Amino acid sequence: AQKVTQAQTEISVVEKEDVTLDCVYETRDTTYYLFWYKQPPSGELVFLIRRNSFDEQNEISGRYSWNFQKSTSSFNFTITASQVVDSAVYFCALSGSSNTGKLIFGQGTTLQVKP
Amino acid sequence: SAVISQKPSRDICQRGTSLTIQCQVDSQVTMMFWYRQQPGQSLTLIATANQGSEATYESGFVIDKFPISRPNLTFSTLTVSNMSPEDSSIYLCSVYGQGTEAFFGQGTRLTVV
Repeated sequence: AQKVTQAQTEISVVEKEDVTLDCVYETRDTTYYLFWYKQPPSGELVFLIRRNSFDEQNEISGRYSWNFQKSTSSFNFTITASQVVDSAVYFCALSGSSNTGKLIFGQGTTLQVKP
Repeated sequence: SAVISQKPSRDICQRGTSLTIQCQVDSQVTMMFWYRQQPGQSLTLIATANQGSEATYESGFVIDKFPISRPNLTFSTLTVSNMSPEDSSIYLCSVYGQGTEAFFGQGTRLTVV
């Protein structure tokens, strides 16, 4: 069975703090893809990143960075110097080669950044 | 990339009625996916819609309640039938290319009263 766990339900930080959102996944597929999405209050899903299982390089995009570790089945997301506009629900998701394109989502982490 | 347009963006419906949600993609895609997001919850896949065949439903979802059409490679509809307040959710359509990101429509925010 495939599963994504985001253990942090809600996180509250003060602006300019760094924050890490955890994501742990389970899959038996050897080829799979991991995603992070942002869902602001307006409701749309904003794509942040996709990672395939053969690429364990960490990635940095501006204030965002991702740490992918197959050894611990984790794909954590860090926001550096958080801003109020980062307040949203963040979802980690998994798509395996056996899924034919279906995404399995974690429960989401609500991030509140206070001014 | 793919641009997905969903209609309506939101609706308030009476219980017992049905609502059809439309999803239009700006390119041809083999598979389209319909998700449901109940208030405060994560996204759950309802079904996969392939052009020219019946949709494949996930456990807990049935065709009588959520009939899906897929008349061509750029369009799909999801109907929420005989609605009850428990159907109040955001419904999203999605397309996915193997090895690429999954693209989502803006979602349809449904409230059943």
